[in-house]
Amino acid sequence: DIVMTQSPDSLTVSLGERATINCKSSQSVLNSSHNKSYLAWYQQKPGQPPKLLIYWASARESGVPDRFSGSGSGTDFTLTISNLQAEDVAVYYCQQYYDAPFTFGPGTKVGIK
Amino acid sequence: QLQLQASGPGLVKPSETLSLTCTVSGDSLSSSTYYWGWIRQSPGKGLEWIGTIYYRGTTYYNPSLKSRVTMSVDTSKNQFSLRLSSVTAADTAVYYCVKYLNEIFTSPLSTWGQGALVTVSS
Repeated sequence: DIVMTQSPDSLTVSLGERATINCKSSQSVLNSSHNKSYLAWYQQKPGQPPKLLIYWASARESGVPDRFSGSGSGTDFTLTISNLQAEDVAVYYCQQYYDAPFTFGPGTKVGIK
Repeated sequence: QLQLQASGPGLVKPSETLSLTCTVSGDSLSSSTYYWGWIRQSPGKGLEWIGTIYYRGTTYYNPSLKSRVTMSVDTSKNQFSLRLSSVTAADTAVYYCVKYLNEIFTSPLSTWGQGALVTVSS
């Protein structure tokens, strides 16, 4: 199985500042023939299911604010929330869908400083 | 607007079978060329992929659960189902039914149901 790790476990950021979350996979999730990394980011607020934010490592899902951006390739990925808003308080998960069983990171909790 | 609703018993006894149904509204399973599936979330194991089903009945299961999992589709009711046998306390979790974003198996999860809490306890 591909193991996903995230750092940090939690972080607090001032409103309007930038939050950066890292995700690492134990093996590459890059499909070289398509030049796409099979990596997604989800946001989960308390009492709600996860919500897809980013897929193919950097493609933003429809309706997701452009302050959310994803980057990286292969085994190392980053989710950046620029201009953090109060409604961005949540837990963020990365997931690889390159190889079954599809696996998730343990999550990073983002709060307001 | 697509909606998924998982339903089933909230309490299951150890060694018995957990059964959940996901009712789909806003899309037709019989004509959909997308994949559907189940994810669970527990405090101890985080988010865990259980498996995937295609409307024609093709299934893919997590090897860690494969011996205990069965998924099926009922296109007449626009539902798909999960059965997990021989449950233990470790199977206590919120179970989500999901739809995949693209018409391929290796695809992110674009739509999630609200989730159904299942507790395994005598």
